[in-house]
Amino acid sequence: SQTIHQWPATLVQPVGSPLSLECTVEGTSNPNLYWYRQAAGRGLQLLFYSVGIGQISSEVPQNLSASRPQDRQFILSSKKLLLSDSGFYLCAWSVGSSYEQYFGPGTRLTVT
Amino acid sequence: RKEVEQDPGPFNVPEGATVAFNCTYSNSASQSFFWYRQDCRKEPKLLMSVYSSGNEDGRFTAQLNRASQYISLLIRDSKLSDSATYLCVVNPDRDDKIIFGKGTRLHILP
Repeated sequence: SQTIHQWPATLVQPVGSPLSLECTVEGTSNPNLYWYRQAAGRGLQLLFYSVGIGQISSEVPQNLSASRPQDRQFILSSKKLLLSDSGFYLCAWSVGSSYEQYFGPGTRLTVT
Repeated sequence: RKEVEQDPGPFNVPEGATVAFNCTYSNSASQSFFWYRQDCRKEPKLLMSVYSSGNEDGRFTAQLNRASQYISLLIRDSKLSDSATYLCVVNPDRDDKIIFGKGTRLHILP
């Protein structure tokens, strides 16, 4: 069966520091991968999605970037965090033409 | 009009009661619809897909009304464990993206 891992679970970082969040999927090949952010009291915002290695689409211009170095690995990065980057970061996957997405446990990021 | 709209609630419902909430969508070309459940400080989990003919899974029933552009979720014989936020999700027929509503909070009262 498929599983999705995210780490770390929680993170507290100072403003201006770099960020790297990792997501890996097991049990499936060539998944579509997604990064979302959920700010306190707000809905899920799609940040990036990828349909294959090296293929990244950005939804919202901001100081974040994403990379997909391997088929089942998706990384969210920032060179300098802002206070507004605080939130709950969720990685999700889907396969083929299905729009059903399955989420990892998320990383709760607090920028201080 | 927002792409996906939900009543934020909270809906406070006694245990054992039936509760229903709707979600409206703006793009009439939307093809895929889902309900997700999100517990406090947890990731959303797929509850059920919503088909044109409706979908039933135990105590949960989802319906699609294309003419009025809304989907609904009905929960019968509600349990304390049903307390959560229910997210309406729509694929607005573009690319591989789906749009999440902000959710409806449900509190089941003992």
